[in-house]
Amino acid sequence: DTGVSQNPRHKITKRGQNVTFRCDPISEHNRLYWYRQTLGQGPEFLTYFQNEAQLEKSRLLSDRFSAERPKGSFSTLEIQRTEQGDSAMYLCASSFRVSEAFFGQGTRLTVV
Amino acid sequence: SQQGEEDPQALSIQEGENATMNCSYKTSINNLQWYRQNSGRGLVHLILIRSNEREKHSGRLRVTLDTSKKSSSLLITASRAADTASYFCATGDPTDSWGKLQFGAGTQVVVTP
Repeated sequence: DTGVSQNPRHKITKRGQNVTFRCDPISEHNRLYWYRQTLGQGPEFLTYFQNEAQLEKSRLLSDRFSAERPKGSFSTLEIQRTEQGDSAMYLCASSFRVSEAFFGQGTRLTVV
Repeated sequence: SQQGEEDPQALSIQEGENATMNCSYKTSINNLQWYRQNSGRGLVHLILIRSNEREKHSGRLRVTLDTSKKSSSLLITASRAADTASYFCATGDPTDSWGKLQFGAGTQVVVTP
């Protein structure tokens, strides 16, 4: 499968715990994006990378959120001290320059 | 905040009928993309139309873009039950060379056999 891969697909965690999601983009894509989607809404931009450089972070990304893309390949999104409001689908996408963005299947986070 | 607004919010049709949904946006764009999302799944890219294009076709899909009205439409012809999904438009900002997208809230389409 040469598409965007996200792991895990589902994550249930207790409030206050830390969680980390992984995204493996399409191999030749130099841009990687993280979005969050809540029920009934479209995806909202969180942050993106050009190679290993994180170029922009949305104000939706509080200090509890951190994203990395070491070596410009896979990326991780960590949420510390999770809150119930963090429950959402976290989507990763990749693209080559300004072109179609291809999305992974997402990681559905439920904070209980 | 979300850039695009899809209309209608929900659409119910029978197999074989055409489905049309519209997207309006607020700021200048360099491209507009349409995505499909099946329930609880990731987004599937359908079609990209650039700001200097007015119409584009892909299989049973037809997309139009009117930059003067800041609107786009997606037409699905001869719909099938498998077309049941949510459809989102997403715009790319020409001032943003990195290609991040702003999405609308989507149109939920139900196609009944």
